[in-house]
Amino acid sequence: GENVEQHPSTLSVQEGDSAVIKCTYSDSASNYFPWYKQELGKRPQLIIDIRSNVGEKKDQRIAVTLNKTAKHFSLHITETQPEDSAVYFCAANGNNRLAFGKGNQVVVIP
Amino acid sequence: DTAVSQTPKYLVTQMGNDKSIKCEQNLGHDTMYWYKQDSKKFLKIMFSYNNKELIINETVPNRFSPKSPDKAHLNLHINSLELGDSAVYFCASGQGARTGELFFGEGSRLTVL
Repeated sequence: GENVEQHPSTLSVQEGDSAVIKCTYSDSASNYFPWYKQELGKRPQLIIDIRSNVGEKKDQRIAVTLNKTAKHFSLHITETQPEDSAVYFCAANGNNRLAFGKGNQVVVIP
Repeated sequence: DTAVSQTPKYLVTQMGNDKSIKCEQNLGHDTMYWYKQDSKKFLKIMFSYNNKELIINETVPNRFSPKSPDKAHLNLHINSLELGDSAVYFCASGQGARTGELFFGEGSRLTVL
């Protein structure tokens, strides 16, 4: 089945700096790659996703890039703000499910 | 008008007891899921139902029994609760893994004492 790995597990950034989280996946048949944000005590919520027919997608301060050949995709957050502090999960579809990475704790230091 | 709702939000119970968590979605999705999130935050899939039919059973102990009376509801019953069952259980719905977004419920925090 699909195996998704995320790096780093914890990331601390100064407010205003950029944060980048990388994920790798194993199943070359995967074609949908979402990113979820989970704030403390809340549910995971989709923040951005990308399909395998595009290489990059942007939505205001967040962007996702996909390298199908290398089987990795990354989340980029620019001009980080304290409210960006959360756990971020990447996922990839495969075998009738979304397989999630183990999550990255992002801490934005004011 | 909550999209995916699950109850109860909190459960505190003794080892050996039986408990249930209910989930309902009003998004018209065909597929519903149960995920377990332990203290390390890992989101692990437990079950998936598509239109009332079990699609995924991810080697979960037999003490866990999902039931889907219709495609808008997916309940989870847990027998003989153990300490290791303490976690947050998330219900989610979607139109299937190949097509897109999962919508999560608020989660049910189960604490087994």
